[in-house]
Amino acid sequence: AQKITQTQPGMFVQEKEAVTLDCTYDTSDQSYGLFWYKQPSSGEMIFLIYQGSYDEQNATEGRYSLNFQKARKSANLVISASQLGDSAMYFCAMRPFQGAQKLVFGQGTRLTINP
Amino acid sequence: GAGVSQSPRYKVTKRGQDVALRCDPISGHVSLYWYRQALGQGPEFLTYFNYEAQQDKSGLPNDRFSAERPEGSISTLTIQRTEQRDSAMYRCASSPEGGAGEETQYFGPGTRLLVL
Repeated sequence: AQKITQTQPGMFVQEKEAVTLDCTYDTSDQSYGLFWYKQPSSGEMIFLIYQGSYDEQNATEGRYSLNFQKARKSANLVISASQLGDSAMYFCAMRPFQGAQKLVFGQGTRLTINP
Repeated sequence: GAGVSQSPRYKVTKRGQDVALRCDPISGHVSLYWYRQALGQGPEFLTYFNYEAQQDKSGLPNDRFSAERPEGSISTLTIQRTEQRDSAMYRCASSPEGGAGEETQYFGPGTRLLVL
């Protein structure tokens, strides 16, 4: 079974600063994918970034990057130059490459960007 | 192109009533997933389909919950004899080619169900 742990229930950051949202995971699978989603107050679930367990380089998508440390089983999301519109819930999720196709989510981190 | 759509967006029902929640995936997407999200929690898997075949229903909490996707496109999640504990956001997601590996799941806006 897979498990995702997000230990920060809430984060407060000043606009334009960088922020790191923590995610650790537990799995016995050899190959898996890690995902981050953003959920603004409107309630949508917006896909942000993906990292495969076999990827040697950290994934990047615009202002988002994923600090992947496989040995530590962590997949932290880094948002550079934060903006007011980044205020939202952020969910880390994973899925093994074999077997069950469901995403397993963490409990989320609520990020608030202060002006 | 159009994303995943769900209807209704909000549903208020009385305990004991049946409800049907609809999901229209991104056109051409093979896989369709249903999740349930309680307030302040991450989504939890309910069931998923490849085309019209239900591949995994291990997350359905009990036999009051069922889902179908008869023509491999639109899906309906049905909850019979609703109970107050069924109140939650029900989310649908779809992915292009069968859900394997790095394939991303794209979520709809959700249906917020309130059982009185």
